Formats: sequence, structure tokens, C-alpha cells
Amino acid sequence: GAVVSQHPSRVICKSGTSVKIECRSLDFQATTMFWYRQFPKQSLMLMATSNEGSKATYEQGVEKDKFLINHASLTLSTLTVTSAHPEDSSFYICSARDLGLAGSKDTQYFGPGTRLTVL
Amino acid sequence: KQEVTQIPAALSVPEGENLVLNCSFTDSAIYNLQWFRQDPGKGLTSLLLIQSSQREQTSGRLNASLDKSSGRSTLYIAASQPGDSATYLCAVNNYGQNFVFGPGTRLSVLP
Repeated sequence: GAVVSQHPSRVICKSGTSVKIECRSLDFQATTMFWYRQFPKQSLMLMATSNEGSKATYEQGVEKDKFLINHASLTLSTLTVTSAHPEDSSFYICSARDLGLAGSKDTQYFGPGTRLTVL
Repeated sequence: KQEVTQIPAALSVPEGENLVLNCSFTDSAIYNLQWFRQDPGKGLTSLLLIQSSQREQTSGRLNASLDKSSGRSTLYIAASQPGDSATYLCAVNNYGQNFVFGPGTRLSVLP
């Protein structure tokens, strides 16, 4: 079945540094990918929608200048947390939308997540 | 705006019991509904996906039902085992849009 990978799976960084997280669709092209985050003991919340070749759409309350999203190819979206602070520590999960051949389906597959810890 | 709720928030049962987890959503115009399992510190494991045209899906000891008109879904777990202990998340999406997740039900199955 379709697989979505994320890299890295875990990252620890110092406050003020930037961290890049990659989301790849391994055997299908994804024009749309979604980025979620999950704080401890909470559910997943959508951060932004990433569309290939265009600017990402951010949810209310998510700073677009802090969370930079680049969807430069049909199989890769990246989320860069700039000048990370301890409150950005969270579990970041992406999903990729598989439309199949000529829109024959609409299925989303989730990546395994990236745990970010900012010291 | 779609909102998803789950009841109960937490559940503790002895091994072997059958149990039901509930999910409600406010906008019935969904494309599909999915139940996930999440172990502590881990990612999501997809359990069952129900398309909007379907009434239920089954996989092993799990059965999920969908009543789109009333905005409800249930996840039935038969003969629960300690290994079923996890958080169960219900999520819905409209065509082409992101999933909206419920807060989850934290299940503990006691040996």
C-alpha cells in the first residue's frame, strides 16, 4: 500500500535553532499534503495545507513566518520550524493525498510523525 | 466548521469485555471517517476506514459503524485484550480536505 515517510523521526535542538522536517510520498504523487501537530495529551490539530507549486494555507493562530512550508515537488513537502522555542516542542505529523489515476480516488496516508524537543 | 467529539474520554475495563467507543461529528457531509489507534509516544495506526456510502467496516475483533445522517460512529471491540490498551482517535474529512480529529478515548484493558 501507499506509504508516507517523515524524516527525522526524532529531533532535539537548542532554543533559537531551525529544524527542517521532510514528508515524502513514496509511491504516489501528492499535490496536497497536510501538516498537523499534537501537543502532549492532546489530539491532532491541522497547522497548514501544503499544495505543490503554490503557497501553503495556514490555520488561524499558526505563524506562517515561523513554520515555513515548501512543497516543491509532487512527492516532497518540508516544514521548517524557524527559531524554535520550547513551546514548539510537539509531535508533527504529515499526511499526503493520493488521487490515484485521473482522480479515481481520494485517500490520505499519514506519516509516522516527527517528535521535536526544543531545549 | 466540523467538530468531532468522542465519548468516553477514558475507559478502563477487565480483559475479555466487549466495549463500544463513540464518535460524533457536527457536519454530516463527510467523505469518509477513519478510526486510528495511537500508542503512547507513537504515530497513528489506521484501524478502519468507512466511506460515506458505507454503514460499517469490520477487521478482526473490530467493527466500526457509521450513521452519517445523525453524525455518529461507533467502534466496537470484541473480547478486549491488554494489548488493545491505547488511545483511539476518530477522524472525519470532507472531500479534498484535511481530517478533523476527535480528542480521543484512552483505553486501558486490565489483565
